[in-house]
Amino acid sequence: GAVVSQHPSRVICKSGTSVKIECRSLDFQATTMFWYRQFPKQSLMLMATSNEGSKATYEQGVEKDKFLINHASLTLSTLTVTSAHPEDSSFYICSAQPGGQYNSPLHFGNGTRLTVT
Amino acid sequence: SQKIEQNSEALNIQEGKTATLTCNYTNYSPAYLQWYRQDPGRGPVFLLLIRENEKEKRKERLKVTFDTTLKQSLFHITASQPADSATYLCALSNTNAGKSTFGDGTTLTVKP
Repeated sequence: GAVVSQHPSRVICKSGTSVKIECRSLDFQATTMFWYRQFPKQSLMLMATSNEGSKATYEQGVEKDKFLINHASLTLSTLTVTSAHPEDSSFYICSAQPGGQYNSPLHFGNGTRLTVT
Repeated sequence: SQKIEQNSEALNIQEGKTATLTCNYTNYSPAYLQWYRQDPGRGPVFLLLIRENEKEKRKERLKVTFDTTLKQSLFHITASQPADSATYLCALSNTNAGKSTFGDGTTLTVKP
């Protein structure tokens, strides 16, 4: 149980275009999802907390207009990288937490490798 | 500022031995401490969660200790196998286990 599906697993896009990444909780409802960015040999950096039915909460230094987050249902959150540039190339990972269980561990997707050319 | 340090970037051990990974933290009072496994190109997988009022937790060949006085957690894998080779991340959180701060990870290699 507690499976999180993330798509696409890899995407290559041209500079200036936008890319949407989906994160779905397959067998549980997630009122809260989290989006991270990970550089090689570094840890996960929390970008934002996605809350179902309300605006996302962004971490300091993360541009909310650059990284648009939508959490339209209890099982789906999307991250859109707008006007992507080569420096946005990274590994993006989402995680979900079963609804209302703040002391429960995170369930992660398998990440999206974004390459901006 | 909050700081999490995991012992070494890489740890190499022989199959069958016990691997011990360390997670130290400063300027933090976590309510929860978690350990995750991450394989290359994949998302982390949850292993164990320990609360601040718990000293030790076990799951099969895994054991986690949590010393809030020393501000340290130890993660042990007994009878290690080559399949245990991966990067192990510790994560700390206070009120919400979801908003965790992650360490940089330790890459474990178990040699046959």
